[in-house]
Amino acid sequence: NAGVTQTPKFRVLKTGQSMTLLCAQDMNHEYMYWYRQDPGMGLRLIHYSVGEGTTAKGEVPDGYNVSRLKKQNFLLGLESAAPSQTSVYFCASRTGTSGRAYTGELFFGEGSRLTVL
Amino acid sequence: AQSVTQLGSHVSVSEGALVLLRCNYSSSVPPYLFWYVQYPNQGLQLLLKYTSAATLVKGINGFEAEFKKSETSFHLTKPSAHMSDAAEYFCAVSGSGGYQKVTFGTGTKLQVIP
Repeated sequence: NAGVTQTPKFRVLKTGQSMTLLCAQDMNHEYMYWYRQDPGMGLRLIHYSVGEGTTAKGEVPDGYNVSRLKKQNFLLGLESAAPSQTSVYFCASRTGTSGRAYTGELFFGEGSRLTVL
Repeated sequence: AQSVTQLGSHVSVSEGALVLLRCNYSSSVPPYLFWYVQYPNQGLQLLLKYTSAATLVKGINGFEAEFKKSETSFHLTKPSAHMSDAAEYFCAVSGSGGYQKVTFGTGTKLQVIP
């Protein structure tokens, strides 16, 4: 069972470069999320999606863009990377909030470690 | 708005001692509450969750948590710490905004001393 898969797992960028992180889930989940984890700050929500073709801003959306063209994929883009975006990025998914299948549990990927020099 | 506060960024206990990790929440609607665990260089995995059923929730690896509405708390406990419990623990809440968002606390690193 693959669950939630993030690529790449590690990346080093120079300031101003762009990149895209890919998250793929095989559980047919409606909701997908991108978080960043920084020491002492826990996980902060960047963007999320409640279905194919829809996205919404979280707590710290500036400098990031997202797309959800297919239900199973959620892409996080950095158009012009800055050192402040050095972080570990986690993707998560879960079922929608309606129906008996809803438990609220998030399923996480293993993380993508990004360093911006 | 919703939020969680975890008291103590680092907690140390002796092997075999009681583990108590504190979490207080704020939510304008009845919350769903979660505890997640993160081992080094891994993603987060669910320990247990409260979704308005029983107030005492049992999770994996012998952990449990009690929902106390009057105290807005959801503290995590384990009667006897094991070396393998050393990890970072996150409390999380979902409620406001139609239960779409999940907000995490800043985490508590648990050290288990032999």
